[in-house]
Amino acid sequence: EVQLVESGGGLVQPGTSLRLSCAASGFTFDDHAMHWVRQVPGKGLEWVSGISWNSGITGYADSVKGRFTISRDNAKNFMYVQMDSLRPEDTALYYCARDKGSVFNWYFDLWGRGTLVTVS
Amino acid sequence: IQLTQSPSFLSASVGDRVTITCRASQGISSYVAWYQQKPGEAPKLLIFSTSTLQRGVPSRFSGSGSGTEFPLTISSLQPEDFATYYCQELDSYPPTFGGGTKVEIK
Repeated sequence: EVQLVESGGGLVQPGTSLRLSCAASGFTFDDHAMHWVRQVPGKGLEWVSGISWNSGITGYADSVKGRFTISRDNAKNFMYVQMDSLRPEDTALYYCARDKGSVFNWYFDLWGRGTLVTVS
Repeated sequence: IQLTQSPSFLSASVGDRVTITCRASQGISSYVAWYQQKPGEAPKLLIFSTSTLQRGVPSRFSGSGSGTEFPLTISSLQPEDFATYYCQELDSYPPTFGGGTKVEIK
């Protein structure tokens, strides 16, 4: 089955760290760039970070630049985001999303169900 | 670029023709995408490159537009179409999403 499954969310205090994981299955993982998109419950969508198929290109929203680090392991079909110096405004449901292309095509054609991060 | 979706809330009946408009704060030279999100679920890509239907999306959905105005039309609303719809522009880095339009049953 083609799917993305996020894990690693939880309740943490401001200033602490968390690492989210995204497990991909059912498709050729290294054919696609991957992204993290977050959503405050009941609110809209915000792109957080993205990584190209070979990790050669990474990008971050200004709101997380310098605090979040995205990575991927194509051998294991996993993507990660290390979130440091967490702030209350980082509280959101974090989705893992597949890009239609191998570099940043920006069309997110497969999403996981999300993992909730609460910073309080 | 800021995207404003109108209306933000829409009450409609099964079989209705529905149009949601995504308006950009400045002209978009690239494309727009549309996503559907049902309660408790992840977003689903409906349309990319402004007017191309994602595989498996019913043909009652259509996208169009250029410049600052991009409509999403559902030609005959079905029970499974009641959801929140988001537009996304691809001109900016990073691309931004509209605030969403919630379509509810009248």
